[in-house]
Amino acid sequence: DTAVSQTPKYLVTQMGNDKSIKCEQNLGHDTMYWYKQDSKKFLKIMFSYNNKELIINETVPNRFSPKSPDKAHLNLHINSLELGDSAVYFCASSQVDSYTGELFFGEGSRLTVL
Amino acid sequence: GENVEQHPSTLSVQEGDSAVIKCTYSDSASNYFPWYKQELGKRPQLIIDIRSNVGEKKDQRIAVTLNKTAKHFSLHITETQPEDSAVYFCAASPQFSGGYNKLIFGAGTRLAVHP
Repeated sequence: DTAVSQTPKYLVTQMGNDKSIKCEQNLGHDTMYWYKQDSKKFLKIMFSYNNKELIINETVPNRFSPKSPDKAHLNLHINSLELGDSAVYFCASSQVDSYTGELFFGEGSRLTVL
Repeated sequence: GENVEQHPSTLSVQEGDSAVIKCTYSDSASNYFPWYKQELGKRPQLIIDIRSNVGEKKDQRIAVTLNKTAKHFSLHITETQPEDSAVYFCAASPQFSGGYNKLIFGAGTRLAVHP
């Protein structure tokens, strides 16, 4: 009954490879996000989708491509991985019309690029 | 765009003492200020939030204060316990309207509570 789930939890790969991280939420929320947390714990927003539409697209290399097949899923595909992409990637969701605007985070996917 | 600064980066207290973490933001349009707690190896979780029409909010041992004029807000934890040890993040959202959040996070404060 996990609210926001991500797979895989750990990912170790070589530079230059392409990888994907999947995210699913069962909270019925309309909006989903990807955040990147670097080694210094800094949390930075990357993308946000509202009902499958891209609404936030921060300054992220175009090697990163999010895809939202429906409002319960937001996947992240990364091409030509670089050392600097090593981080923990958090998926999150929130509800439109929610007074608090709380973000519900997944457990994170730790990506290590060698 | 919004910029959030958070201090201190690390904070060490004895059990039972109080802890205060301070944040400043740059965008006067920001109107929603949550605080998240991230335990080691876990996901960030909301512990308390405040809207810009409120100056202070309390929830048991934690409280948040907001000074809109000075554009700063603070987290206060009283009677700290070892389980309060975690990284705490402040955040500000300039676009919250009951819809999506463009939350901009501070750099985090690592709080250690020693028994």
